[in-house]
This record gives sequence, structure tokens and C-alpha cells, in this order.
Amino acid sequence: DAKTTQPPSMDCAEGRAANLPCNHSTISGNEYVYWYRQIHSQGPQYIIHGLKNNETNEMASLIITEDRKSSTLILPHATLRDTAVYYCIGGGSNYKLTFGKGTLLTVNP
Amino acid sequence: GAVVSQHPSWVICKSGTSVKIECRSLDFQATTMFWYRQFPKQSLMLMATSNEGSKATYEQGVEKDKFLINHASLTLSTLTVTSAHPEDSSFYICSARGRTGKQNTIYFGEGSWLTVV
Repeated sequence: DAKTTQPPSMDCAEGRAANLPCNHSTISGNEYVYWYRQIHSQGPQYIIHGLKNNETNEMASLIITEDRKSSTLILPHATLRDTAVYYCIGGGSNYKLTFGKGTLLTVNP
Repeated sequence: GAVVSQHPSWVICKSGTSVKIECRSLDFQATTMFWYRQFPKQSLMLMATSNEGSKATYEQGVEKDKFLINHASLTLSTLTVTSAHPEDSSFYICSARGRTGKQNTIYFGEGSWLTVV
């Protein structure tokens, strides 16, 4: 699995877009980029995943660079309930997800 | 979206006893399930991979005789912590990979808190 690098913490104002970066320079061609988040004492919540193309769903957008060495998760209008640890993970063909330390996003009122 | 459910959400057991945690995929068939544990203020650590119809594959350092995993059907995997000790107290989380339509998406359960006293 590709190793990913994320900032340990970020702050965002409520109502603003939250842009969470992730570096995955060692990702291989068939590995997806997955994003999950974990709110304290709960299981990780799936957000979005992608391979090459940018993706969007009801929760977020995922922007993957053309060389696939980095990506950005965008929460368009952050709310207080989006405060969580966000994990960016490179998922291999065996679908074993290795969690790093993630980014603690704090949305401030 | 797909739902993965765990039971129980929390359990307290006496040292030396065994406890079973169930993981179910509610609206899809799961060819592969994964078990993780998470200690306070740490990230999730993969314990084992459970594949339909075959034995579980354990990560290095995880005792297979202590953490028994059974992928009983396409919708159920169980983790049994045998002869539990206080150091086994942790947050146990399962995840499941969908078989059709969600083949490359993995969903996680709500987690199960185990406290061994």
C-alpha cells in the first residue's frame, strides 16, 4: 500500500470550504485513493475514493493531480459536525487499508 | 450507502473469559472482511483479513489463537477474543468489501468497545 502524508491538524471556519491535502507519491497505478473520517469513538466513515479522475459526491469532492502523487479532499461548506480526523489512504488490490495518523480538522464557529 | 453493523457496541468481561464480536454487512455480500483495533489516541491497526471460504490471514504480531476470526457467511464475520486480559481492552472495528456494485468500496462498522476487568 502507498504511504500517505497528511498534515497533523487543520482549522476551518464554519461555512467555508475545507481543503485537506494528502501526498501519496509512491502510489501505484492500480491503487485507489480513499478518504475516510473518524469522529471520536465511532468507526471510520467512508467519504469518497478515486483512481485518476476527480470525483464528487454528496459529501465531498476529491481532486487528484494528473501525476497522482497528491490529492485534495474538499468539503464545500464545512459545519461543526465535520470536525473529525480525516484519513487519506492508498488502497491496493487486496483492499487492505493501512491507516496513518490522519488530519484532525477542527471546524470553528 | 452500504451498512456494516457490529454487535455488541460495548462489552465488559472478566479477565480470562472469552468474548465474541459480530460484524454483519446488512445490504451487500462481503467477499472480504477486515478486523482492526484502535487504542486511545492511536490510529487503527489492521489485525486480520477474513476471506469467504478460507482461513483468516493475520498481520504480523497478531496471535491467531487468541483472536479467532470466522467468516461464517457472505454477510457475517466474528472475532472472538479468547482468554481476554486487561491489555486487550480496546476499540475493535470491522470493515467489509462489497461483492457487486461496490466491489472496490470498503465500509466500516460502528466499532465495539471491549473492556476487560
